Amino acid sequence: EAQVTQNPRYLITVTGKKLTVTCSQNMNHEYMSWYRQDPGLGLRQIYYSMNVEVTDKGDVPEGYKVSRKEKRNFPLILESPSPNQTSLYFCASSSWGPSNNQPQHFGDGTRLSIL
Amino acid sequence: KQEVTQIPAALSVPEGENLVLNCSFTDSAIYNLQWFRQDPGKGLTSLLLIQSSQREQTSGRLNASLDKSSGRSTLYIAASQPGDSATYLCAVRSDSWGKLQFGAGTQVVVTP
Repeated sequence: EAQVTQNPRYLITVTGKKLTVTCSQNMNHEYMSWYRQDPGLGLRQIYYSMNVEVTDKGDVPEGYKVSRKEKRNFPLILESPSPNQTSLYFCASSSWGPSNNQPQHFGDGTRLSIL
Repeated sequence: KQEVTQIPAALSVPEGENLVLNCSFTDSAIYNLQWFRQDPGKGLTSLLLIQSSQREQTSGRLNASLDKSSGRSTLYIAASQPGDSATYLCAVRSDSWGKLQFGAGTQVVVTP
């Protein structure tokens, strides 16, 4: 089954304790992206990746890091989490090309609470 | 900067009635527009994608139209059912790197 898998689904942690949210897709997609969803602000892009070793900032990258060492994986790293990073996080993927009109597929989300 | 608006924010209809959900965007230079469904505690499920060259797209009871010149898209859901209760999001892709700009969503409740 084609899917985007995020882990963990839920995490409660404390300020400053490094954490990683993993994202994996089995559709051989080139493009992967992270979004956060907050009440009243909707979904906003954090980082994206066009392919292995190619990443760039989205609209709200502060406090986050990403890496793309393998095509299928795109982990989101919070090196020193703070309470304002409490949010619902989504990973997405799609195929990509010059006339990219493929739908983006989303994971089930990761709810992070930073105390 | 592209801005996407969805009105109304919430909608309640009796079962069997047709649903009409609206999405507007400020910049008509888009690649595509995608409609999603989000259930509580769940991820986003892609419903329909309309390319910029298309006027509408259909899947079962769902029909989405796109009027780029006026910056509007409408999602029609025929003969609504309680299982259609969810939040519906529209998202516009207007940059070459694939970023989606989302509206805030319309929360739909279909009452039996």
